Amino acid sequence: DTGVSQDPRHKITKRGQNVTFRCDPISEHNRLYWYRQTLGQGPEFLTYFQNEAQLEKSRLLSDRFSAERPKGSFSTLEIQRTEQGDSAMYLCASSLRAGGSYEQYFGPGTRLTVT
Amino acid sequence: GENVEQHPSTLSVQEGDSAVIKCTYSDSASNYFPWYKQELGKGPQLIIDIRSNVGEKKDQRIAVTLNKTAKHFSLHITETQPEDSAVYFCAASIDQKVTFGTGTKLQVIP
Repeated sequence: DTGVSQDPRHKITKRGQNVTFRCDPISEHNRLYWYRQTLGQGPEFLTYFQNEAQLEKSRLLSDRFSAERPKGSFSTLEIQRTEQGDSAMYLCASSLRAGGSYEQYFGPGTRLTVT
Repeated sequence: GENVEQHPSTLSVQEGDSAVIKCTYSDSASNYFPWYKQELGKGPQLIIDIRSNVGEKKDQRIAVTLNKTAKHFSLHITETQPEDSAVYFCAASIDQKVTFGTGTKLQVIP
């Protein structure tokens, strides 16, 4: 068990560019979550997957955001036409939906800076 | 939707003293309450959690209490150590959708 990993750890991009982040969950976990965290705030839920199905999306997830988990393993989060307000830490978490398990385990995050 | 309030926003204690962080939630349907510790530049780390059918849970120096009637829950850290310094987040969850508080920056002074 190597934990949740995210790539890249840091991304600096110019306004208007597209960016894509990757998350690799803990290997046996079937649920995967994306959160956004701005400075001084707690993480805010964006979306989550059970296996390859995207089950819920927050209203924070505008049309410029899209997330996929094509084979029920790793996931990608893409932001199109980035804006300065997109600057934040993007966190991924995973959990195992079995036997009433609730625990979510977080990765180290991808810090996005839009200039 | 769920709203979680957390107090205090900053807390300084002397090494060896206890620290208490308090949270309230709004949605009575919330049934799972995790606490996370986040160090600078890292993702949140789950340190303890409690489910709605339990009133108290303890793990070594850390304990959490839950009052469902009042919709309050609290984190207690005893015998604090400098390595406990971090930002702590409470959270409330319904069906695995987790709402976080705004965090408490704990500083343990050696």
